[in-house]
Amino acid sequence: KAGVTQTPRYLIKTRGQQVTLSCSPISGHRSVSWYQQTPGQGLQFLFEYFSETQRNKGNFPGRFSGRQFSNSRSEMNVSTLELGDSALYLCASRSGTSGTGELFFGEGSRLTVL
Amino acid sequence: GENVGLHLPTLSVQEGDNSIINCAYSNSASDYFIWYKQESGKGPQFIIDIRSNMDKRQGQRVTVLLNKTVKHLSLQIAATQPGDSAVYFCAEDNQAGTALIFGKGTTLSVSS
Repeated sequence: KAGVTQTPRYLIKTRGQQVTLSCSPISGHRSVSWYQQTPGQGLQFLFEYFSETQRNKGNFPGRFSGRQFSNSRSEMNVSTLELGDSALYLCASRSGTSGTGELFFGEGSRLTVL
Repeated sequence: GENVGLHLPTLSVQEGDNSIINCAYSNSASDYFIWYKQESGKGPQFIIDIRSNMDKRQGQRVTVLLNKTVKHLSLQIAATQPGDSAVYFCAEDNQAGTALIFGKGTTLSVSS
């Protein structure tokens, strides 16, 4: 069974640009979450989607958005990039309809903003 | 508010020793806790989890202990190996059960 797949793995953008990151969850998993990981702040929750609906959102500005498609694949978008957005963006999926349970993480998309 | 943290940012052990990584949490209503291991360049990998109705849970070479009285979580790794070198995170489910709140992480270094 394939794991969580994220694309692209690495990307470089400049300030003011926007970026879209993609995530394919484990087959059968309907819940997809996004996390931002930085050395200073650690792993921080961005948002979680279940059946194409955003169920929960972390404390990030509106420049960070996401969506989920009917096949459970998810994308997140960051607009008007800032230097501080440089981070590893991790996608995770879980199987159950309830919130608790193991999250399976992808390898991440490393974004560098210049 | 909800906060999960680790006591030590780094831990160095010798191969074959037992390792103990500690974590303190602040939300007494947390129901589910989980430990992840993250190797360089990879995403976090599940190690073991525990629910609040348990005090201890064992896996292969790992044990998680939960002390709800003092809101403390620990991960014990038996016979630590060089391949155990990684950053270890504890996490708890938020009250809505829709997100994991992660601690800052402990970097475990195993020397042979």
